[in-house]
Amino acid sequence: KQEVTQIPAALSVPEGENLVLNCSFTDSAIYNLQWFRQDPGKGLTSLLLIQSSQREQTSGRLNASLDKSSGRSTLYIAASQPGDSATYLCALLEGGTYKYIFGTGTRLKVLA
Amino acid sequence: DTGVSQDPRHKITKRGQNVTFRCDPISEHNRLYWYRQTLGQGPEFLTYFQNEAQLEKSRLLSDRFSAERPKGSFSTLEIQRTEQGDSAMYLCASSFSGLETQYFGPGTRLLVL
Repeated sequence: KQEVTQIPAALSVPEGENLVLNCSFTDSAIYNLQWFRQDPGKGLTSLLLIQSSQREQTSGRLNASLDKSSGRSTLYIAASQPGDSATYLCALLEGGTYKYIFGTGTRLKVLA
Repeated sequence: DTGVSQDPRHKITKRGQNVTFRCDPISEHNRLYWYRQTLGQGPEFLTYFQNEAQLEKSRLLSDRFSAERPKGSFSTLEIQRTEQGDSAMYLCASSFSGLETQYFGPGTRLLVL
């Protein structure tokens, strides 16, 4: 059974720091992996999607990497800003299914 | 394009009542997903539609839950005989085949008293 884990559960950093969020999964048979952010009480916003054949994707200050063999993905946020404060979730699509499995998220707080 | 919309945004009901939620996806999106999210957890997959066909349904979904997507446009999620454990945020997302990026609606927050 696929399990998705995100560590740490919460993170507080001063503005301007570069930071890395981690996502681990137990079964490498995935189709793709997405990173989302969720603001309190709101829906999710897709940040980056990595196909299983790709190693990384970049958008602005965000870079996501995927290493299927080790069951890991990381989201790198450069020069963090208070507006980056949110919960960050990773989700993967299991191979051969239409089912996305989400991690429990990392709550990020960037202090001004 | 106004994004994914969900209605209602909030619903309070008494245990044992039936509730129905609606999701309107982005117009050209043929894929539609329903999720349930409780406090402090990530969204939990409920069901998936491709056009009007329901192609996958979570085994966690009891017989009290049913979803439809007539004509491959909007979708409804019905919960019969609600229980307090059904209290959660119900999220809808849509995407287009081949592009995969999911666009989420704002959710419907359900409270069962």
